[in-house]
Amino acid sequence: EVVLTQSPGTLSLSPGERATLSCRASQTISSTHLAWYQQKPGQAPRLLIYGASSRATGTPDRFSGSGSGTDFTLTISRLEPEDFALYYCQQSRSFGQGTKLEIK
Amino acid sequence: DVQLVESGGGLVQPGRSLRLSCAASGFTFSSYTMNWVRQAPGRGLEWISYISTSGRTIYYADSVKGRFTISRDNAKNSLYLQMNSLRHEDTAVYYCARGFLGIEDYWGQGILVTVSS
Repeated sequence: EVVLTQSPGTLSLSPGERATLSCRASQTISSTHLAWYQQKPGQAPRLLIYGASSRATGTPDRFSGSGSGTDFTLTISRLEPEDFALYYCQQSRSFGQGTKLEIK
Repeated sequence: DVQLVESGGGLVQPGRSLRLSCAASGFTFSSYTMNWVRQAPGRGLEWISYISTSGRTIYYADSVKGRFTISRDNAKNSLYLQMNSLRHEDTAVYYCARGFLGIEDYWGQGILVTVSS
């Protein structure tokens, strides 16, 4: 079973800054099944990125995904106030432990 | 719009059973695989079960295998999760989620299951 490790655990940034979130797999995985989700308190996760780099419907273009093999990245180019939330990566049935993006 | 609405959660004693339902609308339910994912309080996401479009292929996480049963009724646009022999560690918000390319693209709002005496 693939283990996904996200880093950092918490990222403190200010609105307007660039955020870079990492997801590392314990073995080489297919980019096809790599996804990123955003979760806000009391809400269900929302799909942001699938296939490692494709934006889901409604995902703003400030969100981008990249990577292959074992290393994947979610980048938010310029943080908006509504972007501060929890982010999870997923590969098939494995989820990372999450990165909390908080306001500095 | 795609909608997934879970029901059937609540407080249950350890060892007892509970059945969750998920009503789907806004898409052709029979054309999509479905999943259950749970989230313990303050914890991350845990995938627990998958069912194919026909219901003939089913997978479970080791943590629930032998105790939980996933099923679907395509005529009723509904997904189910029968949970038996519940344990304290099954306490979580349970989400039904539509399958898409091996991940989940739409999620219900979640339903809380609390296992406690």
